[in-house]
Amino acid sequence: ETGVTQSPTHLIKTRGQQVTLRCSSQSGHNTVSWYQQALGQGPQFIFQYYREEENGRGNFPPRFSGLQFPNYSSELNVNALELDDSALYLCASSSIAGGHQETQYFGPGTRLLVL
Amino acid sequence: SQQGEEDPQALSIQEGENATMNCSYKTSINNLQWYRQNSGRGLVHLILIRSNEREKHSGRLRVTLDTSKKSSSLLITASRAADTASYFCATDARGGGADGLTFGKGTHLIIQP
Repeated sequence: ETGVTQSPTHLIKTRGQQVTLRCSSQSGHNTVSWYQQALGQGPQFIFQYYREEENGRGNFPPRFSGLQFPNYSSELNVNALELDDSALYLCASSSIAGGHQETQYFGPGTRLLVL
Repeated sequence: SQQGEEDPQALSIQEGENATMNCSYKTSINNLQWYRQNSGRGLVHLILIRSNEREKHSGRLRVTLDTSKKSSSLLITASRAADTASYFCATDARGGGADGLTFGKGTHLIIQP
């Protein structure tokens, strides 16, 4: 167990709706990253939050947005859901110290199905 | 886009045999990590090797890194049924995390009892 938790575990939404996924990071970590994993593929980096600000972003449109809270937990919001957004969403927590990031520890994921 | 490519895509061996998976990547890296994933659940971190290291061991795992060939290998010795999972390599280009980890598509390993 990594100590990273995600909620909910499963979610079914309809195309066009909005969804919020949640992640609690491991104690002592100040950074949360979000990844999207489509079936049969490796995870793809969405964005990372460090000290409550977006620290980096992958090739995802603006309808994917996030927040990080003072306790370092995080939310991933997706607006105007599309069928292709159906995937496993993973968050990972880590620590950045001295500009160097250590190992990322992943949560169990939220499986999103868009109908 | 995915930087890494694992090879083979799938591997089936008998329990007790050794399993070797390879990973190739395209750009320079700060470090390379291997993860395991069971049945589409969360990723479990196995081992991290930095760009200035050539080999690393952890229990039954041995990882090598050849930065000149932009490749890495993961060896699992004396495999067990519980090792059945998908294995991913992930590269960290700058070490500061702003680009995230770049994963390959994974190798699906099946250990036959």
